[in-house]
Amino acid sequence: QQPVQSPQAVILREGEDAVINCSSSKALYSVHWYRQKHGEAPVFLMILLKGGEQKGHEKISASFNEKKQQSSLYLTASQLSYSGTYFCGTKRVSGGGADGLTFGKGTHLIIQP
Amino acid sequence: NAGVTQTPKFQVLKTGQSMTLQCAQDMNHNSMYWYRQDPGMGLRLIYYSASEGTTDKGEVPNGYNVSRLNKREFSLRLESAAPSQTSVYFCASPREDGRLYTGELFFGEGSRLTVL
Repeated sequence: QQPVQSPQAVILREGEDAVINCSSSKALYSVHWYRQKHGEAPVFLMILLKGGEQKGHEKISASFNEKKQQSSLYLTASQLSYSGTYFCGTKRVSGGGADGLTFGKGTHLIIQP
Repeated sequence: NAGVTQTPKFQVLKTGQSMTLQCAQDMNHNSMYWYRQDPGMGLRLIYYSASEGTTDKGEVPNGYNVSRLNKREFSLRLESAAPSQTSVYFCASPREDGRLYTGELFFGEGSRLTVL
């Protein structure tokens, strides 16, 4: 079952912040975040395992609320290079092959100068 | 290292024709996946293979067959193509550090298929 992402699209000015949410109705083992530029393959950003951890990657960070089965991706002081479509992917069991990664429908992020 | 390589990159088929999308990875990973991506739908899992010799259905397997020929190769076959199968197809393989699953999916460049 696909996780639900919100919002569907965001338009920001350079330097503004954005939050992208991902929720699931099923218990999750991990949440994965990817960014995809137009015409390219998705690129891995980070993974969050159950346990409610928060991770950071320069100005991009994420959290995972295990009780609510929700994850949020935070982009602070956005740059033009952040533009793209962001996908969350979820896994219900551990391990690489036990099941595939189930992706949400994506959030389109447009950063304007 | 090429990572994940897909062929062909572009293909146009007529309804009813068959074709095979090829995928190979040189990272010695056990698992491989096939996804399709359609506008507004995100990436949907067609089939996956946890290891050589095993395959399992994903969310949208109808109309497709797969073969895990060996550890490197995982092919996707459309036996009788339909317009609804017009899509971008991605092969992917998750990074593995020994037995540790790191969660990072390596994707191929994608295969853009149009069925007329």
